[in-house]
Amino acid sequence: LAKTTQPISMDSYEGQEVNITCSHNNIATNDYITWYQQFPSQGPRFIIQGYKTKVTNEVASLFIPADRKSSTLSLPRVSLSDTAVYYCLVGDEGSYIPTFGRGTSLIVHP
Amino acid sequence: NAGVMQNPRHLVRRRGQEARLRCSPMKGHSHVYWYRQLPEEGLKFMVYLQKENIIDESGMPKERFSAEFPKEGPSILRIQQVVRGDSAAYFCASSPPTGSTEAFFGQGTRLTVV
Repeated sequence: LAKTTQPISMDSYEGQEVNITCSHNNIATNDYITWYQQFPSQGPRFIIQGYKTKVTNEVASLFIPADRKSSTLSLPRVSLSDTAVYYCLVGDEGSYIPTFGRGTSLIVHP
Repeated sequence: NAGVMQNPRHLVRRRGQEARLRCSPMKGHSHVYWYRQLPEEGLKFMVYLQKENIIDESGMPKERFSAEFPKEGPSILRIQQVVRGDSAAYFCASSPPTGSTEAFFGQGTRLTVV
């Protein structure tokens, strides 16, 4: 199972763009990269998923370089409500068990 | 389509009692996962079940903990003879039967052992 490494914490201010990078040097050919968001006292919520290049949805963008050994979650113009823990996961569709690390605690300041 | 439903949201048990946590997956989902989360920590995988089968229980403590996902009804995580160290948030997630890497989580059950 590919191990992921991401910063423990980040600070930002309202209106800024936030980029959280995750390293997954041992990612396998069939693995997808998935990001979840978790607010205090709530279960994680799926944000975005990708395999390569760039994926964008209404919430975020995910950038994946050609070697796929890392990925960057980009949150445009964050607000206070984006304060949460963000988790990066990798895995393929077969016998997939979502495995969470410590995640990145993002604090958005006024 | 209702999301993953967990109940109760909060559960208080005295040491030595039993705790039963319930999880109803999303409609059409046949894969259920249970996780435990201690304060300021990430989610720790406990067990992965499909209908009537335990697929992977590598994260389950060997004693006092058990899980089931019967043909009918919710998945149950059962903790016997609870101790203070069992106090945590327990989350359930479900995913569809076909290959998927997206899991849908419930709101969790916060267990407090007094």
